[in-house]
Order: sequence, then structure tokens, then C-alpha cells
Amino acid sequence: DGGITQSPKYLFRKEGQNVTLSCEQNLNHDAMYWYRQDPGQGLRLIYYSQIVNDFQKGDIAEGYSVSREKKESFPLTVTSAQKNPTAFYLCASSPLGRGGQPQHFGDGTRLSIL
Amino acid sequence: QKEVEQNSGPLSVPEGAIASLNCTYSDRGSQSFFWYRQYSGKSPELIMFIYSNGDKEDGRFTAQLNKASQYVSLLIRDSQPSDSATYLCAVNGDFGNEKLTFGTGTRLTIIP
Repeated sequence: DGGITQSPKYLFRKEGQNVTLSCEQNLNHDAMYWYRQDPGQGLRLIYYSQIVNDFQKGDIAEGYSVSREKKESFPLTVTSAQKNPTAFYLCASSPLGRGGQPQHFGDGTRLSIL
Repeated sequence: QKEVEQNSGPLSVPEGAIASLNCTYSDRGSQSFFWYRQYSGKSPELIMFIYSNGDKEDGRFTAQLNKASQYVSLLIRDSQPSDSATYLCAVNGDFGNEKLTFGTGTRLTIIP
């Protein structure tokens, strides 16, 4: 089955620690995205990538880093510089196309501070 | 800064009635409009999307666009308890730009 796999489902971070969230897709989509969702809030874009080895900052990139070495993979690192990392992290992917394409989401990773 | 506004609700609708959800957007150049359903604790699931050239109906769901007033609606006919969820509206901005701006969502409760 085609889809987006995020792991782990739950993650705990200690003070001063960097943690990496995994996102893999087998939909052959060119574009991939990372969002953060806080309780009662909408989705805020952290980073996105439309092609391998290229990515752009979203609205709240500070304290986060990404890489896109393969089309299928777009891992997100939450660095120690992100002082309030507790949130629900969602990875999405979409094809590229004129006029905008629907994004499909993985099941998410819940990150908490220990 | 592009904005997408939704009434946070909760919106309560009797089972079998029509639920009407609205979303306003600020970017007049927006081309694509998406509705997602998100159950509590789960990730968003795409329900419908429309482009600026017309409305769409899919089963019990209808998405309508009013470009002049810059709002998009989602109608759910014959509402079921399983429709109880938060509905997120998302809007694509510049032509060819794949970024979406999401509203904060409307919480819908279907009352049996």
C-alpha cells in the first residue's frame, strides 16, 4: 500500500538533546513538508522540499533542521535551540503540479520534553 | 501574510441534518482550496479539494467557492455521528506554489 510512514509515534526529548523524526513516503511524490500542530491550533509549516537536495524554510523553521538526500525521505531534526518542542509533528507529501496539489499526511509523531 | 480564518466552533448539528462549514481567505490570488477532516489525536485526512474554476460534489460532501467574497464552504448532507471531527480548511496561494496555509479548524459535533 502506498503511503507516508512517520516514526516514532511518540518521542521524548531531554534538555539539550537533538532528536530526529523520520518520514518516508512511497507515493513517488516530489514535494514533502513538515508541520507542527499545537493543541487547538492549525498546522504551521516548518520546512518543505520540492526536489532532492533542496528545501526551504517555512513559517517557523527556527530550532529545526531537515535534509532531503532521497526522494522518499525527509527527516526532521528538532535541535536543542527549539525551546518549546512539545507538539504533534506531521509530515506530508504531494505531487507537483500547476494550481496546487492535495497534500497527504502521515500518522504523526508526538514529541514531549522529559 | 496570507490568512485563512475559520470559526472554531463547536458547531452542533442534529443527525441527518446538513452541516455547513465556512472558511475565509485573504489572498485574492488563491487558486486551490482543500478540506481536511481530523479526528481527535489523529492526523488530517483529505476530504475534498476544488480549484477556482468550480464547485464539487462527492457523495454527501459539497465544496463551494465564492471568489467575490473570498470564502469557501463545505456542506455535509445527512450528517452522521462519524462526521464529528475538526475540519481544517487549507488554501494554496500563488499559482504553482505548493505551500498551503491552514485555518485553525472548526470542531463539528453531530448530535444523535
